Amino acid sequence: DAKTTQPNSMESNEEEPVHLPCNHSTISGTDYIHWYRQLPSQGPEYVIHGLTSNVNNRMASLAIAEDRKSSTLILHRATLRDAAVYYCILRDGTQGGSEKLVFGKGTKLTVNP
Amino acid sequence: GAVVSQHPSWVICKSGTSVKIECRSLDFQATTMFWYRQFPKQSLMLMATSNEGSKATYEQGVEKDKFLINHASLTLSTLTVTSAHPEDSSFYICSARSSGGAWNEQFFGPGTRLTVL
Repeated sequence: DAKTTQPNSMESNEEEPVHLPCNHSTISGTDYIHWYRQLPSQGPEYVIHGLTSNVNNRMASLAIAEDRKSSTLILHRATLRDAAVYYCILRDGTQGGSEKLVFGKGTKLTVNP
Repeated sequence: GAVVSQHPSWVICKSGTSVKIECRSLDFQATTMFWYRQFPKQSLMLMATSNEGSKATYEQGVEKDKFLINHASLTLSTLTVTSAHPEDSSFYICSARSSGGAWNEQFFGPGTRLTVL
């Protein structure tokens, strides 16, 4: 599985935007970029995913670099409930490919009131 | 989004006993479920992939005779930790992929915290 690199931790202030970076320089052409987050003592929660184009949903936006070697998860207005560990994961999109999600260490986001 | 439940949410057991953890997809059918383990302050580690009606596929280093997985229906997978020892104490999390939905999205359960005394 192609690896991702994320900062161990980041801090943000409430109601400010947060940009969480992820490097994936060995990404293959069929890898989708997924983001999940895990609140304390809970299971992970799907946030967003994309392949090449930027993506928006009700939770966040995903900006993907043109060469796809990096991406950024954007929380437009952080709230205290967004404090979590955010995982950037690559997953093979080939038909019949592995469905496994391999979690790295993620970025622990702290949101200050 | 779809809901995945786990039961129990926490369990304390004596060393040497077996513990069964259930993972259910409540409003969708899941042909594939995954079991993860997470130690304190660490990331999730995939233990095995469970396919309905067939044997589970275990990750390297995971003892299949110790962690028994059964996926007998499209809405239920169970993980049994046999002869549990204190080092098996961990947070066990399952996830499920809808058989009829987008393959991109997996839904995770809330986790089961196992403490072995």
